[in-house]
Amino acid sequence: DAGVIQSPRHEVTEMGQEVTLRCKPISGHDYLFWYRQTMMRGLELLIYFNNNVPIDDSGMPEDRFSAKMPNASFSTLKIQPSEPRDSAVYFCASSFLRISEQYFGPGTRLTVT
Amino acid sequence: KNEVEQSPQNLTAQEGEFITINCSYSVGISALHWLQQHPGGGIVSLFMLSSGKKKHGRLIATINIQEKHSSLHITASHPRDSAVYICAVEITEGGADGLTFGKGTHLIIQP
Repeated sequence: DAGVIQSPRHEVTEMGQEVTLRCKPISGHDYLFWYRQTMMRGLELLIYFNNNVPIDDSGMPEDRFSAKMPNASFSTLKIQPSEPRDSAVYFCASSFLRISEQYFGPGTRLTVT
Repeated sequence: KNEVEQSPQNLTAQEGEFITINCSYSVGISALHWLQQHPGGGIVSLFMLSSGKKKHGRLIATINIQEKHSSLHITASHPRDSAVYICAVEITEGGADGLTFGKGTHLIIQP
């Protein structure tokens, strides 16, 4: 397996634009996690899915953020409209069980100007 | 107050030294993870443990559930071990579902 795949690797956009981040988990993993990493706050869980169903989205900062998982091999994290404070590295991770080793994607570095 | 505290925040050592990174937590947990983040940004899971000790190559992780403390040790450290090491916990009650992270320990091993 190629591991967790994220795209794009880098995204630069202007304030107010819509941003869509994509993730392909490892095949057979039932859990998918979206994390955000900033210098100020470190790593934070945004939302996670089990079998394509969102389980806990309490970490999603506000209504501008939304995440979907239409099938077992694809998830998106959307920010609309984007703001400069959304600039961060966004990681996707997947795991076989709820509490088990997580495999991280390479991350998407988002810059909102 | 952070639920997960790591120490030291920064550590510089010479090649070959024995390294210890500490993680303390203030809540009940079901598991603790040690992660490694390379200078390029990628994150790799090193260990997940809920009791005792695990070893992989030159890396050893221990956890003391009663004392709410875990340590990550690196024996015979090498410059390629230079990275940020992050402790993360799965909180059992009253906390957010999923991983809660420490701020990380930035380790530099000089040749």
